Amino acid sequence: EAQVTQNPRYLITVTGKKLTVTCSQNMNHEYMSWYRQDPGLGLRQIYYSMNVEVTDKGDVPEGYKVSRKEKRNFPLILESPSPNQTSLYFCASSTEGRAFDEQFFGPGTRLTVL
Amino acid sequence: SQQGEEDPQALSIQEGENATMNCSYKTSINNLQWYRQNSGRGLVHLILIRSNEREKHSGRLRVTLDTSKKSSSLLITASRAADTASYFCATDAWSNNDMRFGAGTRLTVKP
Repeated sequence: EAQVTQNPRYLITVTGKKLTVTCSQNMNHEYMSWYRQDPGLGLRQIYYSMNVEVTDKGDVPEGYKVSRKEKRNFPLILESPSPNQTSLYFCASSTEGRAFDEQFFGPGTRLTVL
Repeated sequence: SQQGEEDPQALSIQEGENATMNCSYKTSINNLQWYRQNSGRGLVHLILIRSNEREKHSGRLRVTLDTSKKSSSLLITASRAADTASYFCATDAWSNNDMRFGAGTRLTVKP
């Protein structure tokens, strides 16, 4: 089944404790992206990647890191999480490495930073 | 910053009625997409309309795009309780490869 998976789905952590949220897609998509969703603000793009070893900042990259060593994986790293990073995070992927194609979204990761 | 802004923020209708949601954006776009999100879950793509298109249909969905007014509308005809969800428009531009989402319209369809 074609899908985007994220792990963990739920995470409660404390300020400053490094964490990684994994994202994997099995559709051989070139384009992958991370978003955060906060009430009243919709989805805001954190980072995106057009292909392996190519990453770019989105709207709200501060406090986040990403890597794209393999085509299928695009982990989101929070080196020193803070409470303002409490949010619902979505990973997405798209065909042909073009942002304007349909994006397939993962189920989301709800992160709480205490 | 957000590119698209949906209007209204919330909409409540009876089953069988039509639902219309609007999206306005600020800068020139390449494409505009509409997505649906059931509470707390991932977004699902509904329809994509390119900047050189004016109208597109998919089942009970009808999307229009007016690039001169920088706006789009999503019409859901003969709504069902299962259409209850949040709907987002998303835009991307020729100048970059990021995608901008609006804050969404929360649609409630009462049975």
